[in-house]
Amino acid sequence: GESVGLHLPTLSVQEGDNSIINCAYSNSASDYFIWYKQESGKGPQFIIDIRSNMDKRQGQRVTVLLNKTVKHLSLQIAATQPGDSAVYFCAESPDNNDMRFGAGTRLTVKP
Amino acid sequence: EAGVAQSPRYKIIEKRQSVAFWCNPISGHATLYWYQQILGQGPKLLIQFQNNGVVDDSQLPKDRFSAERLKGVDSTLKIQPAKLEDSAVYLCASSLRGLQSEQFFGPGTRLTVL
Repeated sequence: GESVGLHLPTLSVQEGDNSIINCAYSNSASDYFIWYKQESGKGPQFIIDIRSNMDKRQGQRVTVLLNKTVKHLSLQIAATQPGDSAVYFCAESPDNNDMRFGAGTRLTVKP
Repeated sequence: EAGVAQSPRYKIIEKRQSVAFWCNPISGHATLYWYQQILGQGPKLLIQFQNNGVVDDSQLPKDRFSAERLKGVDSTLKIQPAKLEDSAVYLCASSLRGLQSEQFFGPGTRLTVL
């Protein structure tokens, strides 16, 4: 899994499988969390966000789970496709002036 | 809808030189951000503008970095003088509703300081 500010872990999955990317955040005051996808040579692209008053939020093929008790965030990608290969970042924010990104997880999808 | 534009895409300079990056956000986005992304790390927020005013610049190394957003649209980020550790990708992003909402990122400027 990933912790905000540490090394870049990797995850390799088979095409069609589900992927789970984990993130441990550090600031208990954080009330907003967001996942971004970054492909090589491009800027980050929004995937999904969640506020601290929710435990789960679903998008198209993606689900974000938030566990405030253990300060853990996860991104689930259903039926992973080759186009999902990228680096995934979680970020936490305690207010509208501060946002901290993790180091990212590199997802590789094998055909 | 046009995305966030940045230029140049690549820049190579020697240490102690100065460099400037330009960003044009998505039309109508009042909030603009500059991030620094060192290789292998996540983006680090440097400065946040709301229209042409600075909201937060607590992470900006102000002895060498400066940024402005004249007229509340385009923005420039300058480094003077550059150090080796400034080698990174500088990302510009914009959003409609502030930091705690979807941000739209540009492609970034890759700076190499020799």
